[in-house]
Amino acid sequence: NAGVTQTPKFQVLKTGQSMTLQCAQDMNHEYMSWYRQDPGMGLRLIHYSVGAGITDQGEVPNGYNVSRSTTEDFPLRLLSAAPSQTSVYFCASTRVAGGYEQYFGPGTRLTVT
Amino acid sequence: DAKTTQPPSMDCAEGRAANLPCNHSTISGNEYVYWYRQIHSQGPQYIIHGLKNNETNEMASLIITEDRKSSTLILPHATLRDTAVYYCIVIKKTSGSRLTFGEGTQLTVNP
Repeated sequence: NAGVTQTPKFQVLKTGQSMTLQCAQDMNHEYMSWYRQDPGMGLRLIHYSVGAGITDQGEVPNGYNVSRSTTEDFPLRLLSAAPSQTSVYFCASTRVAGGYEQYFGPGTRLTVT
Repeated sequence: DAKTTQPPSMDCAEGRAANLPCNHSTISGNEYVYWYRQIHSQGPQYIIHGLKNNETNEMASLIITEDRKSSTLILPHATLRDTAVYYCIVIKKTSGSRLTFGEGTQLTVNP
């Protein structure tokens, strides 16, 4: 299994541009989540999904959209990038059948200028 | 979710056991203790979790006190690759997709 994969690894955007961060998992996990991590801080939850067609907001959802059309994919869209969205973005999937432990991707490092 | 308190940093000699404490005095009966770690610049990694009994897996052991107000993560033979920030998270199991990460403990394993 590849686990949780994220693309791209690095991205530089100009203020106002939009883009989609891709996340995919091949473990058939029902739940998926997006977090952001600012320098020197812990992860903060942006959006999460408990199944295909079901999404909900986390702690810091403003400026981001998500959709979950398949179990495998959970893309994160930045609508109009702002410098405050410069961060490292982590996607995760949750193994519900086990102990609800989360498996994280390697992250996307985004810089907005 | 119950609040957790961890020391900001700890040191450990390579080959020795690393014992990382966590206080969670407001834990409720249906909340579990989860441990994750984050090696520099990588995505967090699940280590272990437990409700009230001690747990062990290939990575670590988790000791939860009888009153469940504190726990200790034990890495039995720490290596340099165990240098990371360790997070203790207390949540209901079904909230496993909505983790709240605090400051964690920076564990440095020294040669």
